[in-house]
Amino acid sequence: AQSVTQLDSHVSVSEGTPVLLRCNYSSSYSPSLFWYVQHPNKGLQLLLKYTSAATLVKGINGFEAEFKKSETSFHLTKPSAHMSDAAEYFCTGTASKLTFGTGTRLQVTL
Amino acid sequence: EAGVVQSPRYKIIEKKQPVAFWCNPISGHNTLYWYLQNLGQGPELLIRYENEEAVDDSQLPKDRFSAERLKGVDSTLKIQPAELGDSAVYLCASSDTRAPRVDTQYFGPGTRLTVL
Repeated sequence: AQSVTQLDSHVSVSEGTPVLLRCNYSSSYSPSLFWYVQHPNKGLQLLLKYTSAATLVKGINGFEAEFKKSETSFHLTKPSAHMSDAAEYFCTGTASKLTFGTGTRLQVTL
Repeated sequence: EAGVVQSPRYKIIEKKQPVAFWCNPISGHNTLYWYLQNLGQGPELLIRYENEEAVDDSQLPKDRFSAERLKGVDSTLKIQPAELGDSAVYLCASSDTRAPRVDTQYFGPGTRLTVL
């Protein structure tokens, strides 16, 4: 079985500073991993996905995530936060079914 | 390419009334999912279809919820009768699971249901 854990329910950063949203996974095999973003009153939008190709995955809007097997992590990063990045972020993984946690709410302040 | 389409976007009904949500997946996607998302929570899978077959409906409350995907394309999720606790956002997603290791799900905007 596979599960993912988001380590922070809420992250607050200042505009222009780096973003780090943490996600750990547990799996007995190489997983597919995804980050989704959800803005208020919107559906989930795919940011990026890892499918055992390159360990550093680049996504939309300047986000990227690195798959680290030794740490069983798939943290999401962005060098410089923008106000429009404020949203809920979900890390999830699947073999055939996505299981979501409660997500990480990113707050971006001036 | 058109994304996943859902309608209506918003629905307000009184308890004990029936309600239905419609979803049209991305063209060519064989797998369709219905999720329920409560406020402040992540989505929870209700049912997953591969083509017209419901392959995972273990989390669907079958006493009041039903779903269909008769021709393996669009799908309808129904609640009858609705209860106050059904107020939530109902998300539809689709993916093409036929290609190896390509199981990315694409989500629609959701239907926000309010039961009064």
